[in-house]
Amino acid sequence: EAGVAQSPRYKIIEKRQSVAFWCNPISGHATLYWYQQILGQGPKLLIQFQNNGVVDDSQLPKDRFSAERLKGVDSTLKIQPAKLEDSAVYLCASSRQGGNQPQHFGDGTRLSIL
Amino acid sequence: QKEVEQNSGPLSVPEGAIASLNCTYSDRGSQSFFWYRQYSGKSPELIMFIYSNGDKEDGRFTAQLNKASQYVSLLIRDSQPSDSATYLCAVNNGGGFKTIFGAGTRLFVKA
Repeated sequence: EAGVAQSPRYKIIEKRQSVAFWCNPISGHATLYWYQQILGQGPKLLIQFQNNGVVDDSQLPKDRFSAERLKGVDSTLKIQPAKLEDSAVYLCASSRQGGNQPQHFGDGTRLSIL
Repeated sequence: QKEVEQNSGPLSVPEGAIASLNCTYSDRGSQSFFWYRQYSGKSPELIMFIYSNGDKEDGRFTAQLNKASQYVSLLIRDSQPSDSATYLCAVNNGGGFKTIFGAGTRLFVKA
């Protein structure tokens, strides 16, 4: 079974620029998550999709972050414009339907803002 | 009070000893509990999970739930240097959709 695919693995941009991350979940997984993980902290949920609908985006900074999951499969997360405090690892995870299922993580994207 | 709390550590144990990691949660209605291992520079990897109906053992790992005191434990028997990592606890709330991660406990197993 192929795992969660994410790209790119690393990204370096200057503040105020824009960046986009891509995620392809495990086949058949209805739920997709985007997390932000700052060094030394646990993953912080940004947005959770069930199929192509948003379940929870309460911690997504909507003035600069956006995400979509068209067709209920792969997803993109965008930041525009980026701030210095957005430097973090962005993790995508997927699970079978329902929030009480174990999540499987991709390798993440390490974002550095200069 | 944080929803899911873990001692940040580091927890240092000698090789071959039992490592005991704890996690407390605030939502009494929580029903699903997950343990992830995260090596430095890597993404979290699921170790095991339990539901509110009981404990689970898988090889050297045992997850135990104390619902009355609202904490979940991960025991690692015969600890190996390769077990050195950060262990993340995640708790799914009673409503079913929201999973909260703790900040993790760093474990160091001395050879």
